Amino acid sequence: GDSVTQMEGPVTLSEEAFLTINCTYTATGYPSLFWYVQYPGEGLQLLLKATKADDKGSNKGFEATYRKETTSFHLEKGSVQVSDSAVYFCALSDSNYQLIWGAGTKLIIKP
Amino acid sequence: NAGVTQTPKFRVLKTGQSMTLLCAQDMNHEYMYWYRQDPGMGLRLIHYSVGEGTTAKGEVPDGYNVSRLKKQNFLLGLESAAPSQTSVYFCASSYNPRTGGVNQPQHFGDGTRLSIL
Repeated sequence: GDSVTQMEGPVTLSEEAFLTINCTYTATGYPSLFWYVQYPGEGLQLLLKATKADDKGSNKGFEATYRKETTSFHLEKGSVQVSDSAVYFCALSDSNYQLIWGAGTKLIIKP
Repeated sequence: NAGVTQTPKFRVLKTGQSMTLLCAQDMNHEYMYWYRQDPGMGLRLIHYSVGEGTTAKGEVPDGYNVSRLKKQNFLLGLESAAPSQTSVYFCASSYNPRTGGVNQPQHFGDGTRLSIL
């Protein structure tokens, strides 16, 4: 079945560092891909999405490109802030329109 | 801007007790979902509903029941709580992805932290 694999955390960075959180997937067909973010004590919220190969999703300085050839959707940000500390989830929409979730990656940004 | 509201936020139960978690959304969404979140496992779908009066099983439905009597509400019930059901439960809702587009985002509540002793 479809699946999503994320890099294990926690990922600890200093403020203004470059961020990459890896996400790879296996799926039949051509799923839509998502990154959701969960701030402490809150529910998940959509960060960005991409619906077809080579699409780039972006929001709040974060970017991710849908790479069909490597089945990847890595999350990047050029300069992280303390306020970016959260858990980040990669997900895909399967053929039944259900979301298949990665395990989540906790990001800790130190001032 | 209420969005998705879950009640209660915290609850401690004893093994064998029953309870109902309530989810309410004010966005007129057709689809609603119940997930559980456990450390290192991401989110797992328990049950979902594609409209008022309809429900379907997700990945981990055993030990749970759901009802969708009104479009805006989706209830999750535990008939006889077990320690393995200790988790954080999230409700989410969305427009119909089949008609509104496959990339319809899900909107989440803030979660219910449930402990079963």
